[in-house]
Amino acid sequence: EAGVAQSPRYKIIEKRQSVAFWCNPISGHATLYWYQQILGQGPKLLIQFQNNGVVDDSQLPKDRFSAERLKGVDSTLKIQPAKLEDSAVYLCASSLLIRVETQYFGPGTRLLVL
Amino acid sequence: AQSVTQPDIHITVSEGASLELRCNYSYGATPYLFWYVQSPGQGLQLLLKYFSGDTLVQGIKGFEAEFKRSQSSFNLRKPSVHWSDAAEYFCAVAGSSNTGKLIFGQGTTLQVKP
Repeated sequence: EAGVAQSPRYKIIEKRQSVAFWCNPISGHATLYWYQQILGQGPKLLIQFQNNGVVDDSQLPKDRFSAERLKGVDSTLKIQPAKLEDSAVYLCASSLLIRVETQYFGPGTRLLVL
Repeated sequence: AQSVTQPDIHITVSEGASLELRCNYSYGATPYLFWYVQSPGQGLQLLLKYFSGDTLVQGIKGFEAEFKRSQSSFNLRKPSVHWSDAAEYFCAVAGSSNTGKLIFGQGTTLQVKP
């Protein structure tokens, strides 16, 4: 089966610009996660969706970050305006159900904010 | 609050030598524990997981991990390391049994000497 797809793979922007990342989860997976991985750290959950509803966005900086999963399939994460500290790899993951089980990760989008 | 500590940031072993990567967790209830591996430019791949039952868990690529409740540890082991095992390894605990949110350690980078 196809894995989790993400695009773009790399993005370089200047601070205060906006950027958007796209994720297409494994077909049939109801739960979708966005993680932020800063260099030298483990991934940190930004937001979790169950179908098209938000389950957890407690660590999402809502003044600049937004995410949606309108049809319960693919998802978009947006940053506006970007700050230097947003430089990181943004990982998308999906799982079949909303419970503790294996999460399947995409290759990530590496963002550099100058 | 739940947390994961990986005490070793960087480990170097010779090819063919044994490997042990340490992981300590903090969690009030029965933990759900994972080890993921991340190769350069790749997403995270699940090596193994512990939910319940036998405390010695077998995973892919010849890895195993042992859950020790008394020590709050879930160390990853491999009897003989191959050059292709060079990567970054992350230990994680499920922050919620209901939502599947993962809390990751900061990772251990494994270098393999020929």
